[in-house]
Amino acid sequence: GNSVTQMEGPVTLSEEAFLTINCTYTATGYPSLFWYVQYPGEGLQLLLKATKADDKGSNKGFEATYRKETTSFHLEKGSVQVSDSAVYFCALSGYAAGNKLTFGGGTRVLVKP
Amino acid sequence: GAVVSQHPSWVICKSGTSVKIECRSLDFQATTMFWYRQFPKQSLMLMATSNEGSKATYEQGVEKDKFLINHASLTLSTLTVTSAHPEDSSFYICSASEVAGGKRNEQFFGPGTRLTVL
Repeated sequence: GNSVTQMEGPVTLSEEAFLTINCTYTATGYPSLFWYVQYPGEGLQLLLKATKADDKGSNKGFEATYRKETTSFHLEKGSVQVSDSAVYFCALSGYAAGNKLTFGGGTRVLVKP
Repeated sequence: GAVVSQHPSWVICKSGTSVKIECRSLDFQATTMFWYRQFPKQSLMLMATSNEGSKATYEQGVEKDKFLINHASLTLSTLTVTSAHPEDSSFYICSASEVAGGKRNEQFFGPGTRLTVL
């Protein structure tokens, strides 16, 4: 079956530091890959996505590249802000699975001023 | 576009009562809606998938008589937690996929409903 593994948090950073959250996956076929962000007390917001190998998703300074050879979709941001403090979820979905999303465990990021 | 709302945003109820949570797609038609449960500091657990006009498909271990799901229209799905107990207290999140004739579709998430059962 499908699965997603992401690094455990919490990750604590200073403002303007570089952020990387690792995400690897196991899936049949060619899944779409997503990063979602959840702010305290809120639902999930799509941060970025990639639908095929070598695609790069980007949004709000965050980037992730779909690497089929390493089955990875690591999230990066060059200079984080306090407002980036949130929980980040890596996820995949596959047409064969009826577009169900499989989530990683989530990584809590805390950015200190 | 692609906005999903949930109502209520939070609810407190007494043990033994039933609670209904609504999920609406505001600006698109959703053939499929998903219901998730999230415990504090944990990931989302898919509870069930509902398709408009048909019965919901529940994930293994989810009691369908406990969590009643109705998807009566292309813009509304409801989750009813029947005879709620304190262990049902959780954050419930819905998502909706747009109608698009067989293509892969992104899920758009609602803001969640926090249920507290006393």
